[in-house]
Formats: sequence, C-alpha cells, structure tokens
Amino acid sequence: KAGVTQTPRYLIKTRGQQVTLSCSPISGHRSVSWYQQTPGQGLQFLFEYFSETQRNKGNFPGRFSGRQFSNSRSEMNVSTLELGDSALYLCASSFYTLGRGSTDTQYFGPGTRLTVL
Amino acid sequence: DQQVKQNSPSLSVQEGRISILNCDYTNSMFDYFLWYKKYPAEGPTFLISISSIKDKNEDGRFTVFLNKSAKHLSLHIVPSQPGDSAVYFCAASRDDKIIFGKGTRLHILP
Repeated sequence: KAGVTQTPRYLIKTRGQQVTLSCSPISGHRSVSWYQQTPGQGLQFLFEYFSETQRNKGNFPGRFSGRQFSNSRSEMNVSTLELGDSALYLCASSFYTLGRGSTDTQYFGPGTRLTVL
Repeated sequence: DQQVKQNSPSLSVQEGRISILNCDYTNSMFDYFLWYKKYPAEGPTFLISISSIKDKNEDGRFTVFLNKSAKHLSLHIVPSQPGDSAVYFCAASRDDKIIFGKGTRLHILP
C-alpha cells in the first residue's frame, strides 16, 4: 500500500507570497491532518479535513487554510508569507477522524520543507 | 503555555540498556496519549499509545506508562538498539485536537 505523499518536498518563497502544499493520503483514508514543525515550537496541529469538511482547527491565523477534494487529497494554502512560516509542514492520513479520540492510526508523509526569505 | 512538555531535549543511552523518555502534561481532560518516532527527513512514525483509562501498555520492546495523578507518562525501550536513535515525540489527544511535545533526541551509544 502506497504511503502518504506530499508535494513539493522543498519550497523557497519570499515574504508576502502565497504557497500551496499538496498531500495525497493512503488509499481509503478519509482524514487528512496538517502539522507545522519548527525547532522552537515543535510539532503543532494546524487542522484536519475529513470527507471534504474541516473538522478541527488548531491555533493558527486565518492565513493558513486548506481544503480536501472528493478523492481525499488535501491542499494547504498559506497566504502573505512571513519569515516565521519557515518550517516543515507534515500531513498525516487516517481512516477515522481525530474526533474518534484515538489517533494511533495516523500515518505521516515525509513533509514539505518551506523556506521563506 | 505548553500543555505537553518533554523536558529533556536529548538523552544518551548505552546499547542494550533501558531508554526512558518522559513526558508531562497539564490538561487532565486528555483521553489518549501517543508516542511517535522521527528520523531526519522523514515524517513521524506512530509507536505506541495508551488510553487514559489504563496505566500501562506494552508492545514488544516498547512500554508506555501513564501516571494520571502526576500527569506524567513515560516510554521505556528495552533493550535499546542502534536503530532507536531518533527524535521521540509524545502527544496528547482529546476528541478534536492533538498536541505534541517538542521532542527528545535519543542517542544509542555503541
């Protein structure tokens, strides 16, 4: 079974630009969650999409948004990039939504390394 | 305010010995706790989880202990192997959110 894939793997942007990251979940998984990893803050939950609906959201500004398509693929968009947005962005897929209480079936992708100059 | 804390940024353990990774949390409403392992340039890999109604869960060389009164959980790896060298994240979950600690880098020494 193919794992979670993320594209692109690396991205360099400048302040003020916007960026779109893509995540393809494991076949059959309907939940896609996005995370930001930075050295200072560690792994932080951004949001979760399940069956094309945003189910849960972490404490990030509105510049961070996402969507999920009918094939469960998800995109994350960050507008008006800031230097502090430089991070590794990870997505994870699972069959059940996080709302089930147990997240032990999450499978992570390799991440997209975003650098904002 | 960090709700999930891993106070040791790094830990070195001799191969064959026990590795103990610690994690503290502040919110008593968390109902699931998880440990992930992460190698450089890869996404985190789920290791083991524990429900808040249990105090121990074991899977092979990995055992997670939960002390609810102390709001503390720990991951024991016995015996430690070279391939265990990685960053370990603990995470706590409640219905709709999952919160990670900042991770502990484990070095297994030959």
